[in-house]
Amino acid sequence: QQQVKQSPQSLIVQKGGISIINCAYENTAFDYFPWYQQFPGKGPALLIAIRPDVSEKKEGRFTISFNKSAKQFSLHIMDSQPGDSATYFCAAPTSGSARQLTFGSGTQLTVLP
Amino acid sequence: GAGVSQSPSNKVTEKGKDVELRCDPISGHTALYWYRQSLGQGLEFLIYFQGNSAPDKSGLPSDRFSAERTGGSVSTLTIQRTQQEDSAVYLCASSRGGGNQPQHFGDGTRLSIL
Repeated sequence: QQQVKQSPQSLIVQKGGISIINCAYENTAFDYFPWYQQFPGKGPALLIAIRPDVSEKKEGRFTISFNKSAKQFSLHIMDSQPGDSATYFCAAPTSGSARQLTFGSGTQLTVLP
Repeated sequence: GAGVSQSPSNKVTEKGKDVELRCDPISGHTALYWYRQSLGQGLEFLIYFQGNSAPDKSGLPSDRFSAERTGGSVSTLTIQRTQQEDSAVYLCASSRGGGNQPQHFGDGTRLSIL
């Protein structure tokens, strides 16, 4: 059974700082590693995703770094803004399944103004 | 609508009652997922539908939980004889084909069992 370990559980960052969230997985059935962003009262929304034929993907202020040999990937939020305050979930393919994702436990990010 | 629609948005019911939660996926999406999210927790997979294939029910926590998807579109999650531990937000997501396709989530149904 795939487990995805996400850390930290909560993170407080000053405006303009860098937020870093880490995830580790065990096995993969396919190569697709997304990050989701969730605001209170809303469903998760896809933020950015990576297929590990590359080690890094950047979209605006958001970057995923991927280390396939270590089975780890991380989300970096540059120039963090108060509007980034949300819960972030990583996900990894569920072992033994060709079509499902297993989600991390979430990181609650607070960006102070 | 353009997104995944879930109803009701909130449901309060007494312990022991049955509840039905509805999910209307994005048109054309063949894959549909149900998740449960307890307060401050991650997403717990419940069930997965893909086209006309038999659903993957491996995440359902007990036989009180069931789901169906009619006509490859709308899905209903049913919880029988509800218990207080069933209180959570139930999220539905759809995608074009599962696997490495992005999942699009609804805003969930917040279920409270008194």
